[in-house]
Amino acid sequence: SQTIHQWPATLVQPVGSPLSLECTVEGTSNPNLYWYRQAAGRGLQLLFYSVGIGQISSEVPQNLSASRPQDRQFILSSKKLLLSDSGFYLCAWSSGGGNTIYFGEGSWLTVV
Amino acid sequence: EDQVTQSPEALRLQEGESSSLNCSYTVSGLRGLFWYRQDPGKGPEFLFTLYSAGEEKEKERLKATLTKKESFLHITAPKPEDSATYLCAVSYNDYKLSFGAGTTVTVRA
Repeated sequence: SQTIHQWPATLVQPVGSPLSLECTVEGTSNPNLYWYRQAAGRGLQLLFYSVGIGQISSEVPQNLSASRPQDRQFILSSKKLLLSDSGFYLCAWSSGGGNTIYFGEGSWLTVV
Repeated sequence: EDQVTQSPEALRLQEGESSSLNCSYTVSGLRGLFWYRQDPGKGPEFLFTLYSAGEEKEKERLKATLTKKESFLHITAPKPEDSATYLCAVSYNDYKLSFGAGTTVTVRA
């Protein structure tokens, strides 16, 4: 069966510091990978998605970037965090376009 | 432009009191409608996918239905463990889901 791992689970970072959130998927090949952010009281916002190694699509202009160095690894990064980057970040995968998207457990980021 | 609207925002039920959650959408060319359950501090857990009007799916006390403009999630005789936020999402192209803000359900014993 497929599993998705995301870490760290919680993170408290000062403004201006870098960020790296990592996500790996097991039990499948060539998945579509996604990074979402969830703000309190709002729906999930798609940040990035990837259909293959090195292929990244950005949905919103922001202080974040994503990379996919391996088939089942997806990384969310920032060079300098802003207070507004605080939130709940979710990695997700699907087996193909239009198919069900499955989520990881999420990472709580607090920028102070 | 909002594409997915969920109502109500919050729902408080007594154990055994059945109710329904609504998800209305405005996207054209719907490719699928998805329901997820999310517990506090956790990632969303997949429940159902519906692809065409008239389709229904069931899982334990939950039943999801789909029309051309909306979907309903019916909770029959809920238990306290059904307390969660229920998210609706629609797929309108190959790679993206548009999510509603969710309905938070609280079931009291």
